[in-house]
Amino acid sequence: RKEVEQDPGPFNVPEGATVAFNCTYSNSASQSFFWYRQDCRKEPKLLMSVYSSGNEDGRFTAQLNRASQYISLLIRDSKLSDSATYLCSVEYGNKLVFGAGTILRVKS
Amino acid sequence: ETGVTQTPRHLVMGMTNKKSLKCEQHLGHNAMYWYKQSAKKPLELMFVYNFKEQTENNSVPSRFSPECPNSSHLFLHLHTLQPEDSALYLCASSRNSGLANTGELFFGEGSRLTVL
Repeated sequence: RKEVEQDPGPFNVPEGATVAFNCTYSNSASQSFFWYRQDCRKEPKLLMSVYSSGNEDGRFTAQLNRASQYISLLIRDSKLSDSATYLCSVEYGNKLVFGAGTILRVKS
Repeated sequence: ETGVTQTPRHLVMGMTNKKSLKCEQHLGHNAMYWYKQSAKKPLELMFVYNFKEQTENNSVPSRFSPECPNSSHLFLHLHTLQPEDSALYLCASSRNSGLANTGELFFGEGSRLTVL
């Protein structure tokens, strides 16, 4: 099983839609989880951390499910500018391991 | 201006060439990283430096040689690379490495390497 797995997509959604991505991880001892966003031909940037109690930042909500070992990212009221690749990252023994990313395309 | 700058942005080299990638961070961080990003693959951690000391070498072939003269600068020396080494090489920094890290890595824009 890969350390961090994501559905590569692409997820093609209309503006205003709600879309959700999941990311599974294999190490049950991991304590820290994050979502990064990477625009085309740009570097990844931290979008939000994922806390045990969940985390909400405007239209974005991140959740952690330890029992099933996955984290999720929910985007409400999608904007064209949300189009990007979303990378899940998980702490593994003092390192951050990344998934391959999920591509989101928001269309008008 | 980004907090982490990488040069060159693009590099084409032959398999027998020697070249270097440079990274500089202006954020006062203590940890610096090299990651490799290939198409449709996860970011691969290559090296970690904390306070100029290498703390992680993720089984990287010796044709990649890192150098960290101080906490603000990181180099990746390249020698006798293979075509499959063509990728985007991303430098990143963080306040500290390990569990003390908040998890936020600040990435440079990357150096896109093509090996012919």
